[in-house]
Amino acid sequence: AQKVTQAQTEISVVEKEDVTLDCVYETRDTTYYLFWYKQPPSGELVFLIRRNSFDEQNEISGRYSWNFQKSTSSFNFTITASQVVDSAVYFCALTPRGSGNTGKLIFGQGTTLQVKP
Amino acid sequence: NAGVTQTPKFQVLKTGQSMTLQCAQDMNHEYMSWYRQDPGMGLRLIHYSVGAGITDQGEVPNGYNVSRSTTEDFPLRLLSAAPSQTSVYFCASSYLGGGGTNEQFFGPGTRLTVL
Repeated sequence: AQKVTQAQTEISVVEKEDVTLDCVYETRDTTYYLFWYKQPPSGELVFLIRRNSFDEQNEISGRYSWNFQKSTSSFNFTITASQVVDSAVYFCALTPRGSGNTGKLIFGQGTTLQVKP
Repeated sequence: NAGVTQTPKFQVLKTGQSMTLQCAQDMNHEYMSWYRQDPGMGLRLIHYSVGAGITDQGEVPNGYNVSRSTTEDFPLRLLSAAPSQTSVYFCASSYLGGGGTNEQFFGPGTRLTVL
């Protein structure tokens, strides 16, 4: 089965706290890509990161960092020193390479992050 | 570049009515797709296309039709709207290189209510 699970439905933090959003995935394919998207209150979907299954290096981009662990099938997202503007719904998604070149995105349920001032 | 555009932004239909949600992209992307977003369920793939004249079903295709006569346009048709189709609809596009694993660009969404 191809599946993405974001077990945290809602998270609430106070500004400047660090927060980690969990993502666990299932796939039979050995080659796949993982994504994170942000959906702010305005509703659009904003691409944050793409990671392939052969690259387990952690990535940092400003206050954002991603931890990819194939051993636990997880691709967690951490926001350091959170800000009110980080309040949004965050989606983790999977594209199995074996999906026949179709680029299908399999989304998790999303985690709503609320950052309070 | 306008990116991915969708019209209308909002629509209210009565049960049984038909309508077409429009999607266009100006990035010359081969791949286009439609998703619906429902509370607590993330986004689910309705239909997708890997090029003009080629379409296929996604996870939740029932009640929807698509066609792809040009690279730029990928309209989604609701033949006989039902309350279960009340949702937010997103169109997305991407290049197909790399086994279809490229970043997908999403449109702003269409919020559809079926009464």
